[in-house]
Amino acid sequence: KNQVEQSPQSLIILEGKNCTLQCNYTVSPFSNLRWYKQDTGRGPVSLTIMTFSENTKSNGRYTATLDADTKQSSLHITASQLSDSASYICVVSGDSSGGYNKLIFGAGTRLAVHP
Amino acid sequence: GAGVSQTPSNKVTEKGKYVELRCDPISGHTALYWYRQSLGQGPEFLIYFQGTGAADDSGLPNDRFFAVRPEGSVSTLKIQRTERGDSAVYLCASSPRTGGPTDTQYFGPGTRLTVL
Repeated sequence: KNQVEQSPQSLIILEGKNCTLQCNYTVSPFSNLRWYKQDTGRGPVSLTIMTFSENTKSNGRYTATLDADTKQSSLHITASQLSDSASYICVVSGDSSGGYNKLIFGAGTRLAVHP
Repeated sequence: GAGVSQTPSNKVTEKGKYVELRCDPISGHTALYWYRQSLGQGPEFLIYFQGTGAADDSGLPNDRFFAVRPEGSVSTLKIQRTERGDSAVYLCASSPRTGGPTDTQYFGPGTRLTVL
């Protein structure tokens, strides 16, 4: 069964600190992996997209890594800010037999940054 | 430019009623997706449109759910005989095209449906 699992479920850190969120997946076939940020009451916003051949991708203070052999990804947030408080969702795109990339979402990690 | 918009932002209805949820995608986007997000969970795929046609409706949970996109832009998700288990946030997303491995889906803010 295609699954995307994230850890931890929730995380509290102090402003200015770094953190790393984890994602394991069993989706096959694999096309690409995305990290989304979802603020409370809003739709998800794409942070990074990585294909099979990419093992790292940065977007400002966000750096995502991908190990396609072990089917693991991480999202590292540097020098956290209060505005980073949100849910971070790992999304794997695999089956494209329907002519599009079907997305499978993890449950997300809820991050709270405290002053 | 305007992003994906959804109306209403909140909808409260009684069990057994009919509801319609609307999605206005980004202008020019040919691909449109509906997802359902339960509390504390990631979105789950419902249906995908390419233009006017539903290319994949395998995520619709049962025949009470139906979606249309008659002119290839605005889409309406229709739920008949609502049940309390239908309560969730319904998200719509659009993308410029389909098939590209890094095609980004742009999400709307969602409609929070509560069935009493």
